[in-house]
Amino acid sequence: DAKTTQPNSMESNEEEPVHLPCNHSTISGTDYIHWYRQLPSQGPEYVIHGLTSNVNNRMASLAIAEDRKSSTLILHRATLRDAAVYYCILRDMEYGNKLVFGAGTILRVKS
Amino acid sequence: NAGVTQTPKFQVLKTGQSMTLQCAQDMNHEYMSWYRQDPGMGLRLIHYSVGAGITDQGEVPNGYNVSRSTTEDFPLRLLSAAPSQTSVYFCASSWGQSRAEAFFGQGTRLTVV
Repeated sequence: DAKTTQPNSMESNEEEPVHLPCNHSTISGTDYIHWYRQLPSQGPEYVIHGLTSNVNNRMASLAIAEDRKSSTLILHRATLRDAAVYYCILRDMEYGNKLVFGAGTILRVKS
Repeated sequence: NAGVTQTPKFQVLKTGQSMTLQCAQDMNHEYMSWYRQDPGMGLRLIHYSVGAGITDQGEVPNGYNVSRSTTEDFPLRLLSAAPSQTSVYFCASSWGQSRAEAFFGQGTRLTVV
């Protein structure tokens, strides 16, 4: 299974942008990059995904490096409700499209 | 639209007892999976299914059985509960493509005493 590496934790001030990095140096050409987050005492929720091009949705933006070996999840204005564990995951049909979670990044947001 | 529904939300078992955690989805998704999450840790994949009648093992399958007789349901069976199976269990479903968004249930908190 393709692996990802994320910082254990990050801290942000409320109303400021947050850039959450993810390294995936062994990514294959068909791996999709997915981001999920898990709020306290809840199940994970989908945030965004991409293959090669940068992606935007109502929750966040995903910036993918040209060589696809890294990506960055961007929260444009962090709020206290964004405090969660953020998971970067590679999903590929070769591995049965499994979603294999790593440890993720704990995001703390200060008011 | 209910999404992914897990029952029960909480359960206490005695060591050696068996039980089934239920998971149902109403989105006609092909792909379903079960995870466990221990305190302070990420989710670990137990079993998954790519369609009715097809299941496969994940990272931590020992002590658990699954079956997929319908598209909607994917029950997880604990054959003989052990304290090491105390955890929060999450069920997820999605379409089968690599780009598909997964939907998660709210979890079942299981304690084995």
